[in-house]
This record gives sequence, C-alpha cells and structure tokens, in this order.
Amino acid sequence: DQQVKQNSPSLSVQEGRISILNCDYTNSMFDYFLWYKKYPAEGPTFLISISSIKDKNEDGRFTVFLNKSAKHLSLHIVPSQPGDSAVYFCAASVSGAQKLVFGQGTRLTINP
Amino acid sequence: DSGVTQTPKHLITATGQRVTLRCSPRSGDLSVYWYQQSLDQGLQFLIQYYNGEERAKGNILERFSAQQFPDLHSELNLSSLELGDSALYFCASSPRGGGGAKNIQYFGAGTRLSVL
Repeated sequence: DQQVKQNSPSLSVQEGRISILNCDYTNSMFDYFLWYKKYPAEGPTFLISISSIKDKNEDGRFTVFLNKSAKHLSLHIVPSQPGDSAVYFCAASVSGAQKLVFGQGTRLTINP
Repeated sequence: DSGVTQTPKHLITATGQRVTLRCSPRSGDLSVYWYQQSLDQGLQFLIQYYNGEERAKGNILERFSAQQFPDLHSELNLSSLELGDSALYFCASSPRGGGGAKNIQYFGAGTRLSVL
C-alpha cells in the first residue's frame, strides 16, 4: 500500500520558469511533511518541511503548499535553476513517530 | 556534507553471503535510521535506534538485523543474501527520537549493495 505517491516520475522545466512537483498521500494521520532533494551518488538532502497546522511554508526560492482536504502537497521552485536538476522525494510522518514514508520520487530536469 | 558517514560505498557479494554496513551519525545525534531503496523506488524504512535501543521497526526482513553501539555508530547486518536484496541502503541520523520539525533526519550517501 503506497501511502505517499508522486505520480510524475519526471518533469522538465525551462530555466527561470516555475517548477511544480506534486505529492499525494492517503493516511490522514500524517501531520508532518518534508521534501528531500537527491543528486546522483549522494544521499537525500533535506529541503523544506511543513506541519499540518499550516498550509504554506516558504524558504527562499522554495515554497511548499499543503491541502489537507485533498491530501495533497506541492513544492514550487521559482525561478528554476540548472542546479535544481535532481530527484525530489516527498515524505510524511505521524507526529511523534520516527519513520518517514517516502514517495517514489520525481526526476526534475532544468533545461537552459 | 550531511555529517553522516556510511561505509563502504559499494559492496559486491554473492547469494547466501553475509555483509555488514556501517553508519556514523552526525555529531550529537542520538537516533539512527536505516532505509532501503530498491531500483526506482522510494526509500523504505527498515529500523531505528535511539541511544543504543531499538525504537521503531519497519518492514525489515528476519535475515536483517541492526544494532547501535555505545559510541552511537550503527551497523546493519544482512545475511543469507538473495538477488532481491540488491539495493541502496541509506542511514540517517537525527538529534532525538521523535518526529517533527525539531528532529529532521539527515542522510548519508548510502551503500550500494550488489548481490550476484
């Protein structure tokens, strides 16, 4: 049972435009959500997170939106830069629980 | 650099063998987590240790075991290896045992295991 789903395996965006990565979840107990970025031959790197008491969190070029009623979150990157090319994973957890449940990842390619 | 160190980076072995993967957490972190990433899949949680004690368990096979030592480094032991065990194994660490904003997990670069 895939509790966290990233339905787009890949996404291609032009440099300078907005990149929007999507993630859906099924477990209504999830109350903390994270995005990780992964380059080849490296481990996932924490990018940004959001608690379920918020619907938006912003950090520089990165903004995460949470729609609890739709059980959907998205990551917006604007403007997109070539260095943003990587695989992006969304992850979710239940408050106080230790494990992260990951989506399958979306490979983002930023074209010059 | 996340501060989490995993060794070895690559491991090639045969079916039926036993291997040990090692993880040194970030300085000061008490929790260590192990995840498995099979080809084109998300990371699957295996097990967590907090200050030497097992804290949470995921879908870890009985052939796999882990421990955390007094110096807080951790080892993941995989035995009776099968072809399907070929994967990336990631270790993560965090300051405490719970979830949420104050306990972000930071990942090592992983160990790529190939079972031939």
